[in-house]
Amino acid sequence: QVQLQESGPGLVKPSETLSLTCTVSGGSISNYYWTWIRQPPGKGLEWIGFIYYSGSTSYNPSLKSRVTISVDTSKNQFSLKLNSVTAADTAVYYCARGSSSLVYWGQGTLVAVSS
Amino acid sequence: QSVLTQPPSASGTPGQRAIISCSGSSSNIGSNTVNWYQQLPGTAPKLLIYSNNQRPSGVPDRFSGSKSGTSASLAISGLQSEDEADYYCAAWDDSLNGPVFGGGTKLTVL
Repeated sequence: QVQLQESGPGLVKPSETLSLTCTVSGGSISNYYWTWIRQPPGKGLEWIGFIYYSGSTSYNPSLKSRVTISVDTSKNQFSLKLNSVTAADTAVYYCARGSSSLVYWGQGTLVAVSS
Repeated sequence: QSVLTQPPSASGTPGQRAIISCSGSSSNIGSNTVNWYQQLPGTAPKLLIYSNNQRPSGVPDRFSGSKSGTSASLAISGLQSEDEADYYCAAWDDSLNGPVFGGGTKLTVL
């Protein structure tokens, strides 16, 4: 059974960079798309972007200037970097497998932006 | 402001049928398939319906989806208390080159 686990700091200061890693177990990262989704407290889901295992990416235009998603196939991991964060970036961040129909999800990790 | 439009809430009594609507545009629902996700409190979303009306293994046939034009619907028959959750529609958007979501509908089983 494929499992995903997000990891990274739960608190980031304004203007700094949010960095998260998603570790995939129970299956290979190869041959799939891998997605980051976020959900502000009490709000809906927002697509951040996805990466193919080969490294090609697609980002939400509203975040594109601040987002980088990368993949490390040797570690079966992919990562998210979001720079110049503000309080509006406070959210639960999820990683998931796929680009559209997202079957496997991580449990999510809450990242708060605060000084 | 979500790209896809859902009612914020829906309700029904046990055993009844509930329907949740999702409205989009020609760049998303109008030209691509629709997925539905169920999010129980404090948990990650779970894929409930994909490709408009297909259920992943393990999803009861009480859940069904349909699509017509730029709108889609999720129907839940034989409502149970454990169906209380937030439900999100989603579809690929050709303009965004990525998936878009509805704002979510909170289903209450009275």
